[in-house]
Amino acid sequence: EVQLVQSGAEVKKPGESLKISCKGSGYSFTSYWIGWVRQMPGKGLEWMGIIYPGDSDTRYSPSFQGQVTISADKSISTAYLQWSSLKASDTAMYYCVRQTDSVGVDPWGQGTLVTVSS
Amino acid sequence: DIVMTQSPDSLAVSLGERATINCKSSQSVLYSSNNKNYLAWYQQKPGQPPKLLIYWASTRESGVPDRFSGSGSGTDFTLTISSLQAEDVAVYYCQQYYSTPLTTFGPGTKVDIK
Repeated sequence: EVQLVQSGAEVKKPGESLKISCKGSGYSFTSYWIGWVRQMPGKGLEWMGIIYPGDSDTRYSPSFQGQVTISADKSISTAYLQWSSLKASDTAMYYCVRQTDSVGVDPWGQGTLVTVSS
Repeated sequence: DIVMTQSPDSLAVSLGERATINCKSSQSVLYSSNNKNYLAWYQQKPGQPPKLLIYWASTRESGVPDRFSGSGSGTDFTLTISSLQAEDVAVYYCQQYYSTPLTTFGPGTKVDIK
């Protein structure tokens, strides 16, 4: 079974750094793009960016370029999303997704809730 | 960037009635080389991640009930729930993956019971 399992919920203060993870299993991790999607409370889905673990090719949505960093460690089949200085407006659910050019996005990780509050 | 829009923002339908959601892309998502539309639909229930319902604009994902159907081509697409069930209450999103690995989602349509 293809699965993406994300790290647990985080509560942080503004200005702190954070790195959340997404571990893939059940497929060749290096052969598929892994993307990140933000969902702010009560809002829709925003595509943030994506990485190809095979060669670390990384692309960002213009809205998120410079705001976050996406990386991957193919030796442990894990992708990461990180912030160097969190803001209250980063409070959201973050999903990792496997992206293909055949079915779109499938599967989705279970989501990581990030809360940034002083 | 390809911009996706959806209409309506929300709708309320009686149990057993038809629900129709529209999705429009700012440019065609039809690849002429394979005649496929790179358009998917997702269902998100409260407290859950989205779930893939339909890809290639009209192909149902395995296990998705046949009351869900997708249609359209080029820039205009429709998701139809032929006979709304209580468990279909959710937000529905369209997504273009024509520009894979870059992709964009529509803003979502909330479906409720009337």
